Amino acid sequence: KNQVEQSPQSLIILEGKNCTLQCNYTVSPFSNLRWYKQDTGRGPVSLTIMTFSENTKSNGRYTATLDADTKQSSLHITASQLSDSASYICVVSDRGSTLGRLYFGRGTQLTVWP
Amino acid sequence: EADIYQTPRYLVIGTGKKITLECSQTMGHDKMYWYQQDPGMELHLIHYSYGVNSTEKGDLSSESTVSRIRTEHFPLTLESARPSHTSQYLCASSATSGASYEQYFGPGTRLTVT
Repeated sequence: KNQVEQSPQSLIILEGKNCTLQCNYTVSPFSNLRWYKQDTGRGPVSLTIMTFSENTKSNGRYTATLDADTKQSSLHITASQLSDSASYICVVSDRGSTLGRLYFGRGTQLTVWP
Repeated sequence: EADIYQTPRYLVIGTGKKITLECSQTMGHDKMYWYQQDPGMELHLIHYSYGVNSTEKGDLSSESTVSRIRTEHFPLTLESARPSHTSQYLCASSATSGASYEQYFGPGTRLTVT
């Protein structure tokens, strides 16, 4: 069964601090991995997307890494801001279907305190 | 910001009522999706469409139905709402070409059935 597991489930940090969120997956055959940010009551918004050959990608203060051999990814947030408070969802797409089926993790709920 | 819209954003209705959740996108995407998301849980695909007059059921069984008469419009209907239908419903769309199959999400409809 294709699965995406994220840790920690929730995280509280102080404004200005860095943090790293983890994602492990078993989806096969692998196509790409995305990190989404979902604010409360809103739809997910894409932060990064990485294919098999990419092992790091940045989007401003967000840096995602991918180790396709160990099937692990991380999202590093630098110099956190209050607006970073949200759920961060790891999503993996398989290569086996034309639909581009997405497998979602449950997300890490990040809270940034002033 | 993706050009995909959902209405209403919030809906509270009584058991047995018929409801339709609206979803529209102005990006000309062929593929559209409906997801269901409970608090703290992953998104589950309930319906998808490859294009006009094409609709399929997703991974999670749902009593809702969908239609795709126009490319930009993908409404979801519940003939008789029940408390078990209380959830957040997210609509998404993606282009047909491109290996990444980037999906763009709407803001969601929070449905409460009393």
